[in-house]
Amino acid sequence: SAVISQKPSRDICQRGTSLTIQCQVDSQVTMMFWYRQQPGQSLTLIATANQGSEATYESGFVIDKFPISRPNLTFSTLTVSNMSPEDSSIYLCSAFPLNSETQYFGPGTRLLVL
Amino acid sequence: QQQVKQSPQSLIVQKGGISIINCAYENTAFDYFPWYQQFPGKGPALLIAIRPDVSEKKEGRFTISFNKSAKQFSLHIMDSQPGDSATYFCAARGSGSRLTFGEGTQLTVNP
Repeated sequence: SAVISQKPSRDICQRGTSLTIQCQVDSQVTMMFWYRQQPGQSLTLIATANQGSEATYESGFVIDKFPISRPNLTFSTLTVSNMSPEDSSIYLCSAFPLNSETQYFGPGTRLLVL
Repeated sequence: QQQVKQSPQSLIVQKGGISIINCAYENTAFDYFPWYQQFPGKGPALLIAIRPDVSEKKEGRFTISFNKSAKQFSLHIMDSQPGDSATYFCAARGSGSRLTFGEGTQLTVNP
């Protein structure tokens, strides 16, 4: 397994601003992912964070809105740009540890955009 | 297109009873099927998982039953406890190790 931490745990932001969420894993992982979860809803994959190259985005998500970095094997950031109230959600980081068959999740970042 | 369908949306069970949550998938390329448990304010936690070449896997009170021909799998929670009250998500692993999640089931276990 892996222990995953996220910063910040929650934030309240103004419309038009940007927020960068950090994800740190306690061990080397092969893959990292970013999800969005609306309250009471399921998880929607935003993108796969690729180490040393551009992230791979799912349909409906674009790099200009959700730029992602992954400078090494244990760290990634997701930026929510030019935020609107529709971006209010829980943002989750997940990671695929070495020798694991599935992903483990961080605690999430709860974002409220006013 | 929702590729993993989960039911029921909510479930209320008495303490000591059996909770059953069902999922169905369409994509035969899925190769791994985990279940996650999520408590309010927390991230999803891996509960139990199964490969499609296995028909059943049991870990403590939690059992996955898998029917490859029907493309269905289910989670059974035996002797359900109030502490099991949470939201449960089934998932399926596809290309690029990406997970597709079901809609979730909110389980309430009454004392």
